[in-house]
Formats: sequence, C-alpha cells, structure tokens
Amino acid sequence: GAVVSQHPSWVICKSGTSVKIECRSLDFQATTMFWYRQFPKQSLMLMATSNEGSKATYEQGVEKDKFLINHASLTLSTLTVTSAHPEDSSFYICSASIGIHSNQPQHFGDGTRLSIL
Amino acid sequence: GNSVTQMEGPVTLSEEAFLTINCTYTATGYPSLFWYVQYPGEGLQLLLKATKADDKGSNKGFEATYRKETTSFHLEKGSVQVSDSAVYFCALSDNYGQNFVFGPGTRLSVLP
Repeated sequence: GAVVSQHPSWVICKSGTSVKIECRSLDFQATTMFWYRQFPKQSLMLMATSNEGSKATYEQGVEKDKFLINHASLTLSTLTVTSAHPEDSSFYICSASIGIHSNQPQHFGDGTRLSIL
Repeated sequence: GNSVTQMEGPVTLSEEAFLTINCTYTATGYPSLFWYVQYPGEGLQLLLKATKADDKGSNKGFEATYRKETTSFHLEKGSVQVSDSAVYFCALSDNYGQNFVFGPGTRLSVLP
C-alpha cells in the first residue's frame, strides 16, 4: 500500500520549455503532497507543500512563479517548471503523507530527472 | 528550528561487515524519526521508523533505536550485502507530521 507514482521519470528538453511533472497517490488519498529538489550527491531540499484545494506554501527562496504547483484532487499534484533553463536541471521528487499525525511517514515517488539543454 | 545531522560519507565496507550510520537530531516537542534509503536513480523508500523514545524500528536486517537522552537514531546492520549500497537519509517530522527535515545523506558502498 501507500504507492506514489511520479511521471515522467526522465525529461530532456530545450531551454525555454515548460515542463509538467505529475505526482499521484495510487491507493490512498493524500491531503498533503510535498515537492523536493535534489542536487547531485546532496540531500533533499523542500520546495513547497501542497494542500488539496488550496495554494501551495513555498519555502523561502523558491520562486512560485517559476515552479507552479497545482493540487486539484486528493490523488494528484503537479509541478510545472516554467520557461526552464539549464540551472533548473535537477532531480525532482514528490511525496505524499497518508495522514497528519507525526507517526505517518511520507511516501515518495521515484523522482523525475530533468535535464535542460 | 529542527535539524538532523548524519555522519559524513562515503562509507565503504566489505560484504558481511557491521554497519553503523550515526544520526543525531535537534527538535522541539516529540518528533518521529525515520530512515529512508535511496538506490541509484530512484526516489526514496522508507526503511524504518520510530515514533517515541526507546522505540526500535527494524526492517530488512536494519535497526535503529530512538534515544531521547542522546537525541540519536543510529542505523545499524549486522551483516551488509552488496545490494545495500545506496544513500541513507535520516529524517524527522514534527508533532503534526509536517515539516520533514532530512539529514544530508550518507552514501554506503558495499564491496564483494
């Protein structure tokens, strides 16, 4: 149980393109989803917290107009990297929490490797 | 704010060696503690967790005990395998299951 699917797993595109990444909870309803960015050989950096039906909460230093997050349903959140540039190349990982209690772990997708040429 | 500190890697061991990856944390309240594992090119997978002091989480031969007195959650395995090669992240969440904080990760390489 508690499977999170992330799509696509790998994207290569030209500079200036907008890229959408989907994160789905397959067998549970996720009121909260999280988006992380991971640079090579580094830990995860939380970008934003996404609650279903409301605006995402962005971490300091993350441009909300650059990284558009939509959480329209209890099973789907999307991250759109707008007008992507080479410096946006990174590994993006989403996660979903099955509940709001502290003993509930986050369940992660397999990540999306984004390469901007 | 909350924080997690892990021993720096990379850690290189021979197969069947004993593994310890240290993790200490700073947090207010009563956080839950987790170990996640990331295999090459993949996302994170929950390895084990502990939700209160003196709890022991265990999975796949790995163990970690929530030590409130030393604010630690060290990961151990008695006999590592080549397939255990991965990056291991210690993490905590606050009382409300929010505000996950990850350690920097420790890369483990197990040689045959």
